[in-house]
Amino acid sequence: GAGVSQSPSNKVTEKGKDVELRCDPISGHTALYWYRQSLGQGLEFLIYFQGNSAPDKSGLPSDRFSAERTGGSVSTLTIQRTQQEDSAVYLCASSLPGQRNTEAFFGQGTRLTVV
Amino acid sequence: SQKIEQNSEALNIQEGKTATLTCNYTNYSPAYLQWYRQDPGRGPVFLLLIRENEKEKRKERLKVTFDTTLKQSLFHITASQPADSATYLCARRNSGNTPLVFGKGTRLSVIA
Repeated sequence: GAGVSQSPSNKVTEKGKDVELRCDPISGHTALYWYRQSLGQGLEFLIYFQGNSAPDKSGLPSDRFSAERTGGSVSTLTIQRTQQEDSAVYLCASSLPGQRNTEAFFGQGTRLTVV
Repeated sequence: SQKIEQNSEALNIQEGKTATLTCNYTNYSPAYLQWYRQDPGRGPVFLLLIRENEKEKRKERLKVTFDTTLKQSLFHITASQPADSATYLCARRNSGNTPLVFGKGTRLSVIA
């Protein structure tokens, strides 16, 4: 596709349920990022995938959060046993490989509401 | 800890004036800084990048400076327009295999 695609665009879930958020990066982009943005706040880094390297998971807030990237392309962010404080917009971004100074291209985000 | 900070949460200026936004970093020297624009309900969009060995970078009405002594980057919008109203984010990356880390952003409002 032409840009980073995220699905669903909106998700309402009950507290305690598991949710999966999907990100399709731009073709050829080996770097992929997940961020979380709460209302009126900045982007909180969650996890970073770069090619075949081990992902940088240093931003994941708890062990309820995990992410996978299959085949170096599509990524899924999973939140288990959701809590109300997980409500936020989850943004995915991708960038070109091997260059430290390339820009990140963002998707439109998934707005997660835990009720 | 390594921090990147945008001191102003919000900035209001009159149309036609120059808007200046500040990004400060502490306890490290990033290889480069990036600036992004974010409109409500949308993901951030890349604007400009400046490397540690560059003093200034320009793109149309935008200008970014990088002062490694002050550990600061300034982002300027000249001849500001109401359409420039948005949140502006700075981001740093320390090396090729580290994630892009963002400041909290400054919400700019240009008043006609």
